[in-house]
Amino acid sequence: GAVVSQHPSWVICKSGTSVKIECRSLDFQATTMFWYRQFPKQSLMLMATSNEGSKATYEQGVEKDKFLINHASLTLSTLTVTSAHPEDSSFYICSAAGYTFGSGTRLTVV
Amino acid sequence: AQTVTQSQPEMSVQEAETVTLSCTYDTSESDYYLFWYKQPPSRQMILVIRQEAYKQQNATENRFSVNFQKAAKSFSLKISDSQLGDAAMYFCAYLNTNAGKSTFGDGTTLTVKP
Repeated sequence: GAVVSQHPSWVICKSGTSVKIECRSLDFQATTMFWYRQFPKQSLMLMATSNEGSKATYEQGVEKDKFLINHASLTLSTLTVTSAHPEDSSFYICSAAGYTFGSGTRLTVV
Repeated sequence: AQTVTQSQPEMSVQEAETVTLSCTYDTSESDYYLFWYKQPPSRQMILVIRQEAYKQQNATENRFSVNFQKAAKSFSLKISDSQLGDAAMYFCAYLNTNAGKSTFGDGTTLTVKP
């Protein structure tokens, strides 16, 4: 079955720095990947749709300059949280192939 | 826009008993998928069961089964012979076949009592 690998699993960074999260499809090609954000005990909220070879599509209210998405190949999408602040601390999850999820990244900004 | 509603924030079941988690959704699409995911404390999203909208037969996966009522836009999950390992947050999700993106309910926290 389809496998999605996400790294890192957790990261702590200082306020004002940038953090990159990778999402890889291991055994299939994904022209589209999705990035979600989840706060504790809440649901998954779609942030953006990552499109291979073109610009990402962001959901309403998501700052595209804050959350940079790059989908340069058919197996890799990256989410970069730029100039991170404590309010960006959250759990970020990617998905591909409709219903296959990465293991998620817990981001803590201090 | 599609919406997914889980009206039970928390549910509790005795070990070996049966529990049903509720989910309703709203859509104008005719082609879509519905899913139930389990999210344990590790927060890994685990696919429990899926249902294609065009299929009338309810999906089953071992102890897990669904009651899919397309006209009523209802998609409940039944867990039989509940086990301690079933304790987790359960999310109902709608997948737009054309767009490929999912909409999730708010989740139901299931507690299994020994």
